[in-house]
Amino acid sequence: DAGVIQSPRHEVTEMGQEVTLRCKPISGHDYLFWYRQTMMRGLELLIYFNNNVPIDDSGMPEDRFSAKMPNASFSTLKIQPSEPRDSAVYFCASSYGSNYNEQFFGPGTRLTVL
Amino acid sequence: DQQVKQNSPSLSVQEGRISILNCDYTNSMFDYFLWYKKYPAEGPTFLISISSIKDKNEDGRFTVFLNKSAKHLSLHIVPSQPGDSAVYFCAAPSSGTYKYIFGTGTRLKVLA
Repeated sequence: DAGVIQSPRHEVTEMGQEVTLRCKPISGHDYLFWYRQTMMRGLELLIYFNNNVPIDDSGMPEDRFSAKMPNASFSTLKIQPSEPRDSAVYFCASSYGSNYNEQFFGPGTRLTVL
Repeated sequence: DQQVKQNSPSLSVQEGRISILNCDYTNSMFDYFLWYKKYPAEGPTFLISISSIKDKNEDGRFTVFLNKSAKHLSLHIVPSQPGDSAVYFCAAPSSGTYKYIFGTGTRLKVLA
């Protein structure tokens, strides 16, 4: 298996622009997680899905953030409009229900908002 | 809400010696506690876990200790190797199944 795939790997945008991050989880995994990593706050859980359904989005910082999972093999995290304080590395991770404590992370998307 | 703190942002250890990474959490939970390792430009990878009903779990050079009364978790690496140089995150379970709260990480540097 190719592992969790994220795109793009790097994104540089200007304040106010819409940003869409993409994730393809490992085939067969039924949980998908979006995290954000910053120096100050470490790895923050933003939202997670089970069988394509959002279960907990309490970590989503503001209404500017939204996430979707239209099918088992694809998820997006959208920021609209983006702000400089959104600059961070965004990780997607997936896991299989019976082995839920081991999440498999993608390589991350480094987002820079100017 | 669960809070996880890794109070040492960095740690340097000589090759062959023991590395001890510490983690504190706030809420007792009946679940697994986790350690992940992260190399630059890569996503975190699962390293080792411990069930809340245990005090110790060992996997090769890695041992995790759980002190439930102190709400404290530690990871011991013996002997430390230069390839262990990475950022280590601990994670504690939060309310809601499958939800983990991660710490801010400790950057370990093992000196050859």
